[in-house]
Amino acid sequence: DAGITQSPRHKVTETGTPVTLRCHQTENHRYMYWYRQDPGHGLRLIHYSYGVKDTDKGEVSDGYSVSRSKTEDFLLTLESATSSQTSVYFCAISVGDSFYEQYFGPGTRLTVT
Amino acid sequence: AQKITQTQPGMFVQEKEAVTLDCTYDTSDQSYGLFWYKQPSSGEMIFLIYQGSYDEQNATEGRYSLNFQKARKSANLVISASQLGDSAMYFCAKRRVTRGGNKLTFGTGTQLKVEL
Repeated sequence: DAGITQSPRHKVTETGTPVTLRCHQTENHRYMYWYRQDPGHGLRLIHYSYGVKDTDKGEVSDGYSVSRSKTEDFLLTLESATSSQTSVYFCAISVGDSFYEQYFGPGTRLTVT
Repeated sequence: AQKITQTQPGMFVQEKEAVTLDCTYDTSDQSYGLFWYKQPSSGEMIFLIYQGSYDEQNATEGRYSLNFQKARKSANLVISASQLGDSAMYFCAKRRVTRGGNKLTFGTGTQLKVEL
């Protein structure tokens, strides 16, 4: 158990509404990540953070923004949700001496109608 | 672009038999790492095994071993003595080190079904 929680775990929202997903970790890990998982694509990196207020884009960042004002929280925001953003969203952290071990949260299932 | 290829969308294996899940990757990096994750039907991502590109020995973790062939750019997962609880989706992933830590690129997964 890497001490990662995600909230909400399930959400249904309408097209055009803003949505924020929260990732919370309890052990002050520096590196945090947001992925989305879709059938036929595996997991794809959306955004990542390498410290408080330090974030950068992943391979599928369009339509998403992130913020990290505290070490323990990494927020993913869909400014105006679209049906193509219906997905399962996973948060992850890097741990270990070389930070290579990456552990995932339980996931958030988001449906945009 | 980093690309991870898992050519077996689905696999069946008899209980207690060994099974190999294939993974190949593209890279021009000198230093990288390869992971395997298990995703049961409950949805969580479970870390199984890691292989560094400079590791001389193949990684092993209990019943899991990683058959790393660097020249072929392959990192196959071998599960020995399969159990019913091994039925799950399995993902291969490659690690790239950046200032953002370890960015992973995933394959599309292999669905493994263990049968009696």
